[in-house]
Amino acid sequence: GAVVSQHPSWVICKSGTSVKIECRSLDFQATTMFWYRQFPKQSLMLMATSNEGSKATYEQGVEKDKFLINHASLTLSTLTVTSAHPEDSSFYICSARAPGVTAEAFFGQGTRLTVV
Amino acid sequence: DAKTTQPPSMDCAEGRAANLPCNHSTISGNEYVYWYRQIHSQGPQYIIHGLKNNETNEMASLIITEDRKSSTLILPHATLRDTAVYYCIVRVYNQGGKLIFGQGTELSVKP
Repeated sequence: GAVVSQHPSWVICKSGTSVKIECRSLDFQATTMFWYRQFPKQSLMLMATSNEGSKATYEQGVEKDKFLINHASLTLSTLTVTSAHPEDSSFYICSARAPGVTAEAFFGQGTRLTVV
Repeated sequence: DAKTTQPPSMDCAEGRAANLPCNHSTISGNEYVYWYRQIHSQGPQYIIHGLKNNETNEMASLIITEDRKSSTLILPHATLRDTAVYYCIVRVYNQGGKLIFGQGTELSVKP
């Protein structure tokens, strides 16, 4: 299957600082990318959908000013967690989908964020 | 959005077939059924998808009932490495094709 690379795999940051997570589609052009968050022993929760060159669409309850998403090219999307707090500690996962009605989405390996 | 219902957990003996059921009684005519799995602390892995016909690939088979209200994912010869959480998802096309994950089935393959 197609490869989606996420960086970093894990990060520890101090409370109040911002953290950027990158998601790259390595062998296909992703017109749409998705960002998820997963807490321990829970399922993935969709945070937002981003399309290249346009503003992201956030799910209900997700603060767009806190979780900044940029999808500047067909192979790169970034998620910035601004002014991170311990409750933002979670597993963040991106997904990328190629064009096409039935094209499957491929997932990155995830980023473990710990805010101390 | 079409919702899915899966048993929270299942066990399977190594080498046997694992049959994972999923109910999606509110699925619309043009919505596909997708299956993903997630091994602990990794991103989900695509397995298979289908509309109304049965599908098979190198990983698994997908059996969809004629009324499309339920489906079964079959791993023909389960191995210990198939231990994971399996998610059955109905694809939402009018909202960018996003995948909404339910709770999934935690499959434990035992020796």
